[in-house]
Amino acid sequence: NAGVTQTPKFRVLKTGQSMTLLCAQDMNHEYMYWYRQDPGMGLRLIHYSVGEGTTAKGEVPDGYNVSRLKKQNFLLGLESAAPSQTSVYFCASSLLAGGPNTQYFGPGTRLTVL
Amino acid sequence: AQKITQTQPGMFVQEKEAVTLDCTYDTSDPSYGLFWYKQPSSGEMIFLIYQGSYDQQNATEGRYSLNFQKARKSANLVISASQLGDSAMYFCAMREGGSGGYNKLIFGAGTRLAVHP
Repeated sequence: NAGVTQTPKFRVLKTGQSMTLLCAQDMNHEYMYWYRQDPGMGLRLIHYSVGEGTTAKGEVPDGYNVSRLKKQNFLLGLESAAPSQTSVYFCASSLLAGGPNTQYFGPGTRLTVL
Repeated sequence: AQKITQTQPGMFVQEKEAVTLDCTYDTSDPSYGLFWYKQPSSGEMIFLIYQGSYDQQNATEGRYSLNFQKARKSANLVISASQLGDSAMYFCAMREGGSGGYNKLIFGAGTRLAVHP
């Protein structure tokens, strides 16, 4: 059981380049999330999805876009990367919302924007 | 606005002793959930324990327990019989609301725990 996987694990971009991070889960979870983690800070929510075909903005959505065309996949896009987007990106999923429905996290993607 | 505060940037504990990691939260929603996650040096986020705002008893999971003091809005993590493998970053997180909150989590800044032999 792979759980939540993220591709790629590491990436270096130049300012202005674009890229897409892929998150996949094999647990048939409805909810998926993208977070970023900066040094000295906890995780902050970028975007989330409550089901296939739906997406919504989180706490820090600017500069990012997302898509959830398939239930198991949640893509995070950077159209024009900026150095401020240098961070570690985590994807997570949960079966349902509310109660003890915990989020399961992927291993993270370390992105550096030069 | 909802907020999570972890006031201890770093903590040290001797192996086999107990340690308490502090977490306070701020919310006006009567329905919320509190989570603790562990992040070892390898980077993954590992779920440890959950406490619901309406739960009458403090949550426990093996060596982990949550000291939930609702009136003080605190949800401290207690690790008993510390092990070297407990050395990691620990995050407290809160979800406001029930299912309408979509399970969105707000995280604290974390506490780095070092267990010494």
